[in-house]
Formats: sequence, C-alpha cells, structure tokens
Amino acid sequence: LAKTTQPISMDSYEGQEVNITCSHNNIATNDYITWYQQFPSQGPRFIIQGYKTKVTNEVASLFIPADRKSSTLSLPRVSLSDTAVYYCLVGPEEYGGATNKLIFGTGTLLAVQP
Amino acid sequence: DTAVSQTPKYLVTQMGNDKSIKCEQNLGHDTMYWYKQDSKKFLKIMFSYNNKELIINETVPNRFSPKSPDKAHLNLHINSLELGDSAVYFCASSQSWGTQYFGPGTRLLVL
Repeated sequence: LAKTTQPISMDSYEGQEVNITCSHNNIATNDYITWYQQFPSQGPRFIIQGYKTKVTNEVASLFIPADRKSSTLSLPRVSLSDTAVYYCLVGPEEYGGATNKLIFGTGTLLAVQP
Repeated sequence: DTAVSQTPKYLVTQMGNDKSIKCEQNLGHDTMYWYKQDSKKFLKIMFSYNNKELIINETVPNRFSPKSPDKAHLNLHINSLELGDSAVYFCASSQSWGTQYFGPGTRLLVL
C-alpha cells in the first residue's frame, strides 16, 4: 500500500502562499493523489486531485513531479479561514481490494495567523 | 440541500447501552463509508458498502454492526458501548471509488 508522509504542522501568515508537501514513495501506477481539508468539528472536504504534472482549480494547485513520489499542495494567498488540517491520500480510482485510498494519516495542521 | 446527513449530531450515553447512528446521502452515490475519528484526530475507516453490499470491514469490534437498507442509507449500530467508543463518527459517500463526500459527524460520548 502506498503510504503517505506529511509534516505534522505548518505556520503561515495571511496573504502568503503555502506549500504542503506529501511523500508517497510507493505510489502505484494506477494511483491518484487526492487532498482533503478538514475544519474543526466538520467532516473532511475534497480540495483537489491529480495524477501527474499540475492541476489547478479555484481553491488550490497540485504539483506532481515526473516520478510521482511526492506531491505539493499549493494554497495561494491564505486567509485565517484556511486554518485547517490537510490530508494527502493516494490510491486507485477503481476498487480492487486495497483500502489505501481511505487512509487519511495524521494530516498537516496549517495555522494561519494575522 | 444537505448532501450527506447524519443523525444525531450529538449522542451522550452510558456504558453498556446500545445506540444507532443514521446516515443518508442524496447524491445518488453507490458507495458509503463509516469512519471513526478519535481524540487524537486520527480518521480511520471502519466499513464501506457498495450497492448495499459490505466491501470493507476493517478491524472493528463486532459490537459495531453496519446496515444498509438501500443505496442512500448506511446506519451504524453499536452494542454494549464502552468508554473507548467515544469519538466522532463520520459517514461519507462516493460514486464507485471516487471522491468522498463527508457528513457533519456524530459526536459520541460514553460515560
């Protein structure tokens, strides 16, 4: 199973760009990389997903190098409301018996200060 | 419109009691999940159903019994509640093995 490793916590200030890196050295060929965000007292919320290179949506960008052994979630110009736990998950889009796509790990607690 | 809803939101009960948590999704998804998030904030998968069939059953005490009466509902029944069952329980749904949509959580406190 592809295991992910993220920093436990990060600090930032309002208006800065924040990059959170996730390591997944054992990523499989058919695995996708998905990031979720969880605010206190809420369930996780999907942010972005990618397979390779770069993906961008209205919330974030996801950078994936050619070897796919890591990925970086980039949040542009964070605000106080971006304070949350960010989870990196790796797994296939088709169920084949593996449950690694459901392993949330410890996540990264991003604390944005004014 | 709430995509994934859970009831109750809070549940306080005594050790040894039996309780149920209900989950409903109106997204038309065919897969539903139960997760447990403990005090250390680890989010762990417990069960998953696809088209009303159990496909994932992680190492969970058999006091926990999920039931899926139809694709839109996945309920969790817990027998003989223990102190260690205190946690937040999240229901989620997805289309096949795709992006998961989570409910607001049920905060269970066992006294």
